[in-house]
Formats: sequence, structure tokens, C-alpha cells
Amino acid sequence: NAGVTQTPKFQVLKTGQSMTLQCAQDMNHNSMYWYRQDPGMGLRLIYYSASEGTTDKGEVPNGYNVSRLNKREFSLRLESAAPSQTSVYFCASSDRTGGSKTQYFGPGTRLLVL
Amino acid sequence: AQSVTQLDSQVPVFEEAPVELRCNYSSSVSVYLFWYVQYPNQGLQLLLKYLSGSTLVKGINGFEAEFNKSQTSFHLRKPSVHISDTAEYFCAVSEDTGGFKTIFGAGTRLFVKA
Repeated sequence: NAGVTQTPKFQVLKTGQSMTLQCAQDMNHNSMYWYRQDPGMGLRLIYYSASEGTTDKGEVPNGYNVSRLNKREFSLRLESAAPSQTSVYFCASSDRTGGSKTQYFGPGTRLLVL
Repeated sequence: AQSVTQLDSQVPVFEEAPVELRCNYSSSVSVYLFWYVQYPNQGLQLLLKYLSGSTLVKGINGFEAEFNKSQTSFHLRKPSVHISDTAEYFCAVSEDTGGFKTIFGAGTRLFVKA
């Protein structure tokens, strides 16, 4: 099993460009998450999907949209990238939402917005 | 609302020495507590978690943590570290309210020196 995979691994964008970060999991998990990681700030939740067909905002959703394409895939879209969105983005999944659930993380996408 | 404070941003230690990484949390309800590890250029993976029961929790790679409710702490310890333990360690807390939200600390970078 590959676990959680993310593409691309690294991307450079110019301000105003758009892009979609892709995430897929092969663990048959119901819940999926997008986080951003910034130095000294830990991980902050952007959006999550409790189950296929549902998505909800997290702590820092502004400037992002998501799509839960099917049970396996959860994409994150930046419509008009800004330098403040320079970060490392992690996708994660868990078998259900709920505070006791372990989350499984992908390797991350490093995004640089110039 | 819950919060997590990791008291040290960096911890340098010599190989085979003991180490303690400190974590304090704040919450008005019962919590679940986690430690995740992030090796360079990788996603986070679970080291250990406290859900209920024994307050001493053992995890992978010889790490353990103790839940102290009165001190609202969940410190991570290892009696003898190896070079391969060099990584960033994140403490995380979720509330036992059926919700989805996991709050991550800012991280502690453990650097093991030969």
C-alpha cells in the first residue's frame, strides 16, 4: 500500500497563478484533511472532508477551495496564488473523524509563490 | 478551545543521552493526546497516543510519554537517543467531544549529535 500520496512534490508559482494540489489515499479512509505547515506555527487545518461528498472549512480556508472527487481523492485548489500561500502543504486521512483517530500523512507539497 | 504549547523549539542532545520534549495543553474537556514525528522531507507519522487508561504510553522507536492531568502535560521521553532520532516532533491534542479538530503544537526540533 502506498498510503497517502501527493502531487506535485514541489511547485513554483507567480502571484495570481492558479494550481491544484492532488492527494489520494488507498487505505479506504472516510476522512481526509489539508494542512499547511509554516515555520514556528505547526500545522494548521485548511479544509477537511468527513466523508465522501462533504467538505468543511478548517482554521485557515481563505484563498483555497477543495474537491472530494471520490472516496480516495481530495484536491486543494489555489485560484489566485499569493506570496502568503508559500508553505508546505500536507494531505492526511483517517478512517473517520473524531478526536481519537490517528491521521496518516502524505509526504507534502512545497509551494513557493513569487 | 484547546491549545498546545511545546516549550522548546530546539533540543540538541548527544547520542545515547536521555531526552525529554515538553508539551503542555489547555482544554476545558477531556482530551486525546498525540505525538507525531516528522523526519526531513517527509510527512508526519504517529509516535504514540493517549486515549484513556494508563497514563504512561509507550510508542515506537523506544519513545514513551506520560499524561499528567493535573499539570496538563504530555511530555515525551526517550532514555537513550540515536542519531536517527534527529527529526521534528509535534504534540497534538483533540477534544473528546466527537469533533474532528486536532490542534498541533509548533514543533520541537531534536538534533542528536555524535
